[in-house]
Amino acid sequence: DIQMTQSPSSLSASVGDRVTITCRASQDIGTYLAWFQQKPGKAPKSLIYAASSLQSGVPSKFSGSGSGTDFTLTISSLQPEDLATYYCHHYNTYPLTFGGGTKVEI
Amino acid sequence: EVQLVESGGGLVKPGGSLRLSCAASGFSFKSYSMNWVRQAPGKGLEWVSTISSSSSYIYYADSVKGRFTISRDDARNSLYLQMNSLRAEDTAVYYCARSSGSVDYWGQGTLVTVSS
Repeated sequence: DIQMTQSPSSLSASVGDRVTITCRASQDIGTYLAWFQQKPGKAPKSLIYAASSLQSGVPSKFSGSGSGTDFTLTISSLQPEDLATYYCHHYNTYPLTFGGGTKVEI
Repeated sequence: EVQLVESGGGLVKPGGSLRLSCAASGFSFKSYSMNWVRQAPGKGLEWVSTISSSSSYIYYADSVKGRFTISRDDARNSLYLQMNSLRAEDTAVYYCARSSGSVDYWGQGTLVTVSS
C-alpha cells in the first residue's frame, strides 16, 4: 500500500501569511494527487486534483505542485475562513489512501 | 448542482448490520465511479470502497473486505453500502463521494455508531 505522510501535522499562522503544507508518498504516484479541505464539523471539500489543477470554484489563493513522491499545497494569503484541516490523497492505485491531515490555525 | 445525500446511519450493536444509502442528483450518475470514505471521531479520512460505472470493478479496504458490500442502482441514482458483522472500530461518519479521476464531490455524511 502507498503511505501518504503530511507535514506538519498542525501549524499556526497569521492572516496574510503564505502557508505551505507538504505531502510525501511512499512510492512514485506521478501526479495522481488530490488535496481536500475540511472545516470543523463539515464534510471535506475538494481543492486540487492532478497535483496542481484547481477544482472548479476554488479560489486561486490555493495552489498545488509536485510529482512523483513530493507534493505541496500552498495558501498564498491566509484568511480566517481557511481555518481547517487539509488532507492529501493519492488515487494512483488501490487501495486509495489519505495523509494524516494538517490542522491550520489562525 | 451536484448533490449527494447519505442516509441510513444510526446506532447498532457489535455484530449487527446496517445499510447506508446515497442519493445522487445533478449529474449523470451512471457515468461516474462512486466511493465510500469514512472518518472515525476525531480522526482522519479512510477510504472504504469504490465501485466503477457499470459496476465493472469494485475495490474494498482490507479493514472491511468480506464484511461490507458496495452496490449501485443507476436507475434510482443511488449508491449503497451494506455493512455486516459491524465492530466498534467501524464507528465513523460515512461519506459518499463521486470520482472523476479523483474525488470531486462529497456528501454531508451519515454517522454510524457501533456500541452495545
